[in-house]
Amino acid sequence: DAKTTQPPSMDCAEGRAANLPCNHSTISGNEYVYWYRQIHSQGPQYIIHGLKNNETNEMASLIITEDRKSSTLILPHATLRDTAVYYCIVRSVDTGGFKTIFGAGTRLFVKA
Amino acid sequence: DAGVIQSPRHEVTEMGQEVTLRCKPISGHNSLFWYRQTMMRGLELLIYFNNNVPIDDSGMPEDRFSAKMPNASFSTLKIQPSEPRDSAVYFCASSLYGTGVGEQYFGPGTRLTVT
Repeated sequence: DAKTTQPPSMDCAEGRAANLPCNHSTISGNEYVYWYRQIHSQGPQYIIHGLKNNETNEMASLIITEDRKSSTLILPHATLRDTAVYYCIVRSVDTGGFKTIFGAGTRLFVKA
Repeated sequence: DAGVIQSPRHEVTEMGQEVTLRCKPISGHNSLFWYRQTMMRGLELLIYFNNNVPIDDSGMPEDRFSAKMPNASFSTLKIQPSEPRDSAVYFCASSLYGTGVGEQYFGPGTRLTVT
């Protein structure tokens, strides 16, 4: 599976949009981009995933560049409860099983 | 839906003792994953199962670690004998393999302390 690069930490003001970048320059054509987050002392939580089109759900939006070498997770109106570590992961879904490799992630601090 | 259930939530044991961590995946999910998380190494995949069969155990640190999934609703991760460096939070996750999405749902974790 391709590796990802994320900034170690970011700040965001409460109520503003949080834009979390991720580089995955070696992504393959059959690999999806997944985002998870981990709030302190809890298990990671799935947020969103995409292949090449932009995606939106009730939690966030995912913007994937046309060349698919990078993506941005957008939390449109960040709240204090969004303070967490956010993981960007790329993996194929057509290999045997769903082996998921977590990197160091981005620690997002939402400030009042 | 109860989500992924793990027990115990906390375990404190002495070096050399056997430790067994338990996991009940979400009903209907056919993939199960065991992870370990430490400050130094982050979140590491230890082993995962599809339809109760171990698929990849390359992340299991050494022979002291073993995992079983006797049926679709139960899995164990055993450490024998335990060592202080095994202290970590152990997460179990389950997923529905075959849908093409396969997001994983994590349990609350078991915090293991080996003294």
